[in-house]
Amino acid sequence: EVQLVESGGALVQPGGSLRLSCAASGFTFSRFAMTWVRQAPGKGLEWVSYISSSGDRILHADSVKGRFTVSRDNAKDSLYLQMNSLRDEDSAVYYCARDSGVVGADDSWGQGTLVTVSS
Amino acid sequence: QSVLTQPPSASGTPGQRVTISCSGSSPKIGSYDVNWYQQLPGAAPKLLIYNNNQRPSGVPDRFSASKSGTSASLAISGLQSEDEADYYCAAWIASLNSRVFGEGTKLTVL
Repeated sequence: EVQLVESGGALVQPGGSLRLSCAASGFTFSRFAMTWVRQAPGKGLEWVSYISSSGDRILHADSVKGRFTVSRDNAKDSLYLQMNSLRDEDSAVYYCARDSGVVGADDSWGQGTLVTVSS
Repeated sequence: QSVLTQPPSASGTPGQRVTISCSGSSPKIGSYDVNWYQQLPGAAPKLLIYNNNQRPSGVPDRFSASKSGTSASLAISGLQSEDEADYYCAAWIASLNSRVFGEGTKLTVL
């Protein structure tokens, strides 16, 4: 069974940093691209980042470019999101998701981890 | 404002057929594939439809989707109370180097 478990969410002050992790199991992690998607309270889904299976292709949404960095460790079956210079508007539940290989289709999702940016 | 536009709400009674639209004009939706997600209250999103009209295994055939040159639509037939959820269209738009979600449609089963 595919499992994705996010961790690292917390309350952080504006301008602060946080690192999210996503532990994958139940599939060959190194064969799949991965994405981060966030959802602000009461709002819709927003794509954040994409990383290819080998990590050689990385994309970020304009809203986080230059502040967030996605990475992965295939030896540890883990995905990461380093978030710097956090803003109030970054407050959201952050989901990691497995890219199915069909462009833009994420077929497995974690339960999410909550990031709150507030002073 | 999202590249993909959805109505904020939709509703139907049990047994009815409802449709949810997703339009995209810049770039035109005809130039990319559309996926649909269902998000039940308090849960993570779930892939419902991929490649415009394909259902992942385990998704009931009550759910179907189509796409024309200017819009995509999700149809739910035989509406059930457990279908009450938020529905999002989404696409990978190569010209933007970005994955985009529609704003979401809240489906209420009356």
